[in-house]
Amino acid sequence: DAKTTQPPSMDCAEGRAANLPCNHSTISGNEYVYWYRQIHSQGPQYIIHGLKNNETNEMASLIITEDRKSSTLILPHATLRDTAVYYCIVRSRSSGAQKLVFGQGTRLTINP
Amino acid sequence: GAVVSQHPSRVICKSGTSVKIECRSLDFQATTMFWYRQFPKQSLMLMATSNEGSKATYEQGVEKDKFLINHASLTLSTLTVTSAHPEDSSFYICSAPTGAYEQYFGPGTRLTVT
Repeated sequence: DAKTTQPPSMDCAEGRAANLPCNHSTISGNEYVYWYRQIHSQGPQYIIHGLKNNETNEMASLIITEDRKSSTLILPHATLRDTAVYYCIVRSRSSGAQKLVFGQGTRLTINP
Repeated sequence: GAVVSQHPSRVICKSGTSVKIECRSLDFQATTMFWYRQFPKQSLMLMATSNEGSKATYEQGVEKDKFLINHASLTLSTLTVTSAHPEDSSFYICSAPTGAYEQYFGPGTRLTVT
């Protein structure tokens, strides 16, 4: 699976949009971009995933560049509860390739 | 969404003893589950893939005789840390995929070996 690169940490003010970047320049055509987050001392939580089109759900929006070499996770109105480590993971959807390999992620701190 | 539980949430054991951690999928069946380990301020490290009805697949560097995995049913996988030592103290997390897209994680088990 393709490797991802994320900034180690980011800060965002409460109520503002948090934009978390991820580089995945070696992504291949059948690989999806997944985002998970981990709040302190809890298991990771699925946020969103996409292939090439932008995606939105109740938690966040995912913007994938046209060349698919990078993406941005957007939390539109960040709250203090969004403070967590955010992981961008790229993996194939093929059967048997379900394991997730976590990088170091971005530690997002939402400030009041 | 789907729910994955782990038991116990915390365990303290003495060096040399064995500890069993359970991972259950509560409202779906999982032929595959994954076990991760996480040290403080580090990312999750995949340890092994638990397969219902067959042997687990271990990642490189993970001792299969030390970390015994049993996937007894479609909703239960267990991880047994045998002859635990202080360096095995960690946060152990399991996960189970519900299909091709989503994967749900348990709340984690914090193991402390004294």
